[in-house]
Amino acid sequence: DTEVTQTPKHLVMGMTNKKSLKCEQHMGHRAMYWYKQKAKKPPELMFVYSYEKLSINESVPSRFSPECPNSSLLNLHLHALQPEDSALYLCASSLFTEQPQHFGDGTRLSIL
Amino acid sequence: AQSVTQLGSHVSVSEGALVLLRCNYSSSVPPYLFWYVQYPNQGLQLLLKYTTGATLVKGINGFEAEFKKSETSFHLTKPSAHMSDAAEYFCAVSDGGGTSYGKLTFGQGTILTVHP
Repeated sequence: DTEVTQTPKHLVMGMTNKKSLKCEQHMGHRAMYWYKQKAKKPPELMFVYSYEKLSINESVPSRFSPECPNSSLLNLHLHALQPEDSALYLCASSLFTEQPQHFGDGTRLSIL
Repeated sequence: AQSVTQLGSHVSVSEGALVLLRCNYSSSVPPYLFWYVQYPNQGLQLLLKYTTGATLVKGINGFEAEFKKSETSFHLTKPSAHMSDAAEYFCAVSDGGGTSYGKLTFGQGTILTVHP
């Protein structure tokens, strides 16, 4: 069992829909991350939050909007996605940014 | 800039044989190095890490890796493969915290197949 919980596990949405991905951890970690992983590829960093502040945005399109309401919760709001956005979205957390990251099992997103 | 090269996108071994997965890195600062394993339809699980100190690090499930600065390598080994080791393995590098906020740069991954 992973200590980083992501919901939903699977999501199918149309290009005009608005949906959100959710990530929770209760380990007291102060850094949280969103990664995108395409099939047969390594994860690619999208966003980093440190102490609930957005610290890194890897030039991600604005149709992806992250939010960190508190130290345990990380959301990724999705709007007007494209078919190429279909991927596994992984959330990770670490005690501090220099500590190892712990990953959730991801949300598999399909855009119709 | 940092980069990771994993030699061999697929490695096949027999059950009980030595597992060797190769990783070379490039970093302008002392690196933090990690090995992660990913089973189908799951996230990444940390196997082991090197930050400072002892260059031979032991991880979970009998895996270990040795940091060799002169060779810029961090190869992953396991003396005896088990069927349950079949998965994809990623080597990753970061420069720790600071302005990179622990950003991980991953290699392309190596799929390990274990034959009975």
